[in-house]
Amino acid sequence: DVKVTQSSRYLVKRTGEKVFLECVQDMDHENMFWYRQDPGLGLRLIYFSYDVKMKEKGDIPEGYSVSREKKERFSLILESASTNQTSMYLCASLGRESYEQYFGPGTRLTVT
Amino acid sequence: RKEVEQDPGPFNVPEGATVAFNCTYSNSASQSFFWYRQDCRKEPKLLMSVYSSGNEDGRFTAQLNRASQYISLLIRDSKLSDSATYLCVVNIGGGADGLTFGKGTHLIIQP
Repeated sequence: DVKVTQSSRYLVKRTGEKVFLECVQDMDHENMFWYRQDPGLGLRLIYFSYDVKMKEKGDIPEGYSVSREKKERFSLILESASTNQTSMYLCASLGRESYEQYFGPGTRLTVT
Repeated sequence: RKEVEQDPGPFNVPEGATVAFNCTYSNSASQSFFWYRQDCRKEPKLLMSVYSSGNEDGRFTAQLNRASQYISLLIRDSKLSDSATYLCVVNIGGGADGLTFGKGTHLIIQP
């Protein structure tokens, strides 16, 4: 029973390209998150959204933007990919009355 | 001072042994606490919440020590399948954006 899906498991892009990472959840959750995970640095919050069209910056928003046009979908956009954005990107969702975050399988992005 | 700190390990433990590790948090107003498990190349998944009174789920016991600001996870009779990274998560702000992850403790159960 898949709850959070991400558009790609692996992605290779060139420096300067615009990159879209898509996340979809089927649990009708209000909150959605984008994290990146790097060795030795753990999970770091990039952006989160608590409702449709609402977004809040996380700890490391620079170089990223997001879009939440529908409740089930949360997109992460790299306007101009750089090599330091090579990472594992994880999407998560959380219900308003819940405490358990559900994560997608992750997208491993390589920027060359 | 980092908000949520864990010993990264790795903890190498023989199968059948008991292992415990802690997670310290800096914000005394933190309200909720969790342990997540992350297998290699997989996403994190909730293992258990940590309640003030402590809680147990099979071989796993989680405890909270508010006075010293740490939570702990104890695994009894460890199995090979327990090998994973265990992430401590603390909600320091109460809202959804207050969820703060530790960097994880890597556990390796050896046969």
